[in-house]
Amino acid sequence: EAEVAQSPRYKITEKSQAVAFWCDPISGHATLYWYRQILGQGPELLVQFQDESVVDDSQLPKDRFSAERLKGVDSTLKIQPAELGDSAMYLCASAAGPLTYEQYFGPGTRLTVT
Amino acid sequence: AQTVTQSQPEMSVQEAETVTLSCTYDTSESNYYLFWYKQPPSRQMILVIRQEAYKQQNATENRFSVNFQKAAKSFSLKISDSQLGDTAMYFCAFLSIKNDYKLSFGAGTTVTVRA
Repeated sequence: EAEVAQSPRYKITEKSQAVAFWCDPISGHATLYWYRQILGQGPELLVQFQDESVVDDSQLPKDRFSAERLKGVDSTLKIQPAELGDSAMYLCASAAGPLTYEQYFGPGTRLTVT
Repeated sequence: AQTVTQSQPEMSVQEAETVTLSCTYDTSESNYYLFWYKQPPSRQMILVIRQEAYKQQNATENRFSVNFQKAAKSFSLKISDSQLGDTAMYFCAFLSIKNDYKLSFGAGTTVTVRA
């Protein structure tokens, strides 16, 4: 069964360093989402892509976060510089299209900023 | 974003027994989707069950069933015959059709099934 892949699974970084996360959606899925899940809370949407275009990045802290999906397939989320408050699980999800209800989630990247 | 409230941070249930998780939400929309997602420890989140707001019949998937009360804006999940593999964090989620199919999640309920 096709799955959303994410790497790394765990990342420890020091404050002010740069960090990047990678996501490979299910083949053929045009819509890709990045969520942030703070411990004890539900996921919150950071950015949504339709193919290679950003559809919604209203909740993305653009002073330090960036996201790209250059060829409309895999995607990278970057944080520079990392802050202590960025410690969280970063989840990637994909969907067949923008108006489909089912999203498929990856295993996530757990980030710890020290 | 819609507000989704899960008032039970943790629940514990004996294997083979039944547990019910509560969820309430706030919306002015008349048509939307509701979901329960399961997030096992260190594994990806998977969809357990979905309910379409315009359908009055409660959704059922094997041992999982929901009690959807549209007027009360309530959407509870019942897990029957609990199994050890049901141990996970469960998230209630609201999908807004009006807002481009955006998902809003509750804070989650940790369910522990005891042997």
